[in-house]
Amino acid sequence: QVQLQQSGPGLVRPSQTLSLTCAISGDSVSTNSASWNWIRQSPSRGLEWLGRTYYRSKWYDDYAPSVKSRITITPDTSKNLFSLQLNSVTPEDTAMYYCARATTGMGAWGQGTLVTVSS
Amino acid sequence: EIVLTQSPGTLSLSPGERATLSCGASQTIVDNYLAWYQQKPGQAPRLLIYGASSRATGIPDRFSGSGSGTDFTLTISRLEPEDFAVYYCQQYGSSPRTFGQGTKVEIK
Repeated sequence: QVQLQQSGPGLVRPSQTLSLTCAISGDSVSTNSASWNWIRQSPSRGLEWLGRTYYRSKWYDDYAPSVKSRITITPDTSKNLFSLQLNSVTPEDTAMYYCARATTGMGAWGQGTLVTVSS
Repeated sequence: EIVLTQSPGTLSLSPGERATLSCGASQTIVDNYLAWYQQKPGQAPRLLIYGASSRATGIPDRFSGSGSGTDFTLTISRLEPEDFAVYYCQQYGSSPRTFGQGTKVEIK
């Protein structure tokens, strides 16, 4: 059974970088049969897919247009995890952030991290 | 970007009743790659249905999905007390992946 464990700060200052990690157990970040996703949820924006990383003989990534200029999702094969970095955050980036494993749909989710952007 | 529109926004029903939730897409969803999720307060979404009509592992058979192209439906045949929650559709046939805004199923 795949389990995802999120970690990272719950408070980020405006204009700084939001950084979260998602540790994987029960699967490998390098698998050819899944992608590793970040999603956020807020009352104003609902569920919003941010992007993913995946391995198909080489590494790929794919981002939502709304955050494409500010986001990086990277795998760490030595630690079997993947990370989210979102630059130049504003209060609009305040949300619950989730990581998720996708094969046919997103069948495994992290526990969520509430990130508040405030000075 | 594919926009998913769910209706109704809220469904007020009693336990034992049938729930029918709709999800409409602004463009045809490739290969009917449409999923449904259930979310309860304080929890992450849970995958119920993938590929428009296939139940995820461990999902009771009172949940069923149907539809193709741009129109999809989630049906809960007889509501159990634990089914009162918010339901989301999501398409994974094209990028960016997108979610609907949700339908809340509440106790009448």
